[in-house]
Amino acid sequence: AQSVAQPEDQVNVAEGNPLTVKCTYSVSGNPYLFWYVQYPNRGLQFLLKYITGDNLVKGSYGFEAEFNKSQTSFHLKKPSALVSDSALYFCAVRDMNSGYSTLTFGKGTMLLVSP
Amino acid sequence: NAGVTQTPKFRVLKTGQSMTLLCAQDMNHEYMYWYRQDPGMGLRLIHYSVGEGTTAKGEVPDGYNVSRLKKQNFLLGLESAAPSQTSVYFCASSYADSQGTDTQYFGPGTRLTVL
Repeated sequence: AQSVAQPEDQVNVAEGNPLTVKCTYSVSGNPYLFWYVQYPNRGLQFLLKYITGDNLVKGSYGFEAEFNKSQTSFHLKKPSALVSDSALYFCAVRDMNSGYSTLTFGKGTMLLVSP
Repeated sequence: NAGVTQTPKFRVLKTGQSMTLLCAQDMNHEYMYWYRQDPGMGLRLIHYSVGEGTTAKGEVPDGYNVSRLKKQNFLLGLESAAPSQTSVYFCASSYADSQGTDTQYFGPGTRLTVL
């Protein structure tokens, strides 16, 4: 079975400060990992994904995520937060060794960036 | 290129009524999905399809049926709506890329209230 945990329901950060949104995962094999963002009253938008290779993945809107196999983590980061980054962020995982399998999403973390 | 569209955007039903939610994608994607989003629960997969004429159960399939008669459409049906089915429903589609991963693209959602 595969699972994702986002330990923080909400993250608060001041504009211009760095931000981190945490994600840990559990799969039996090797993971495919994703971050999605949801703005109010909108569907989810893809931000970035990790398949293999470099542990630091760069995505849309200046976001990046760091894959850490030993800690089974895939934290989302941005060096300088913007008020417009305020949204709901979802981490998701799929087991790449299980043939076709569906994505499992975390419960989401609300990011609030204050001016 | 409209991406993934969902009809209707909003709906209010009485307990016991039936309805069908329509999802359409114009990206020629093989895979399509229906999720529900509830506060504090993240996204939960209801049903999915890996190709025209195929469907499979997800995490929370009870009370729902689906059909994929055409590649571009994926219908979600509620035969006898219950208040527990009050939720926001999202459709998504994806294709397997050259690395064997798939990135899901989401529709704008349907907000359903069952009284």
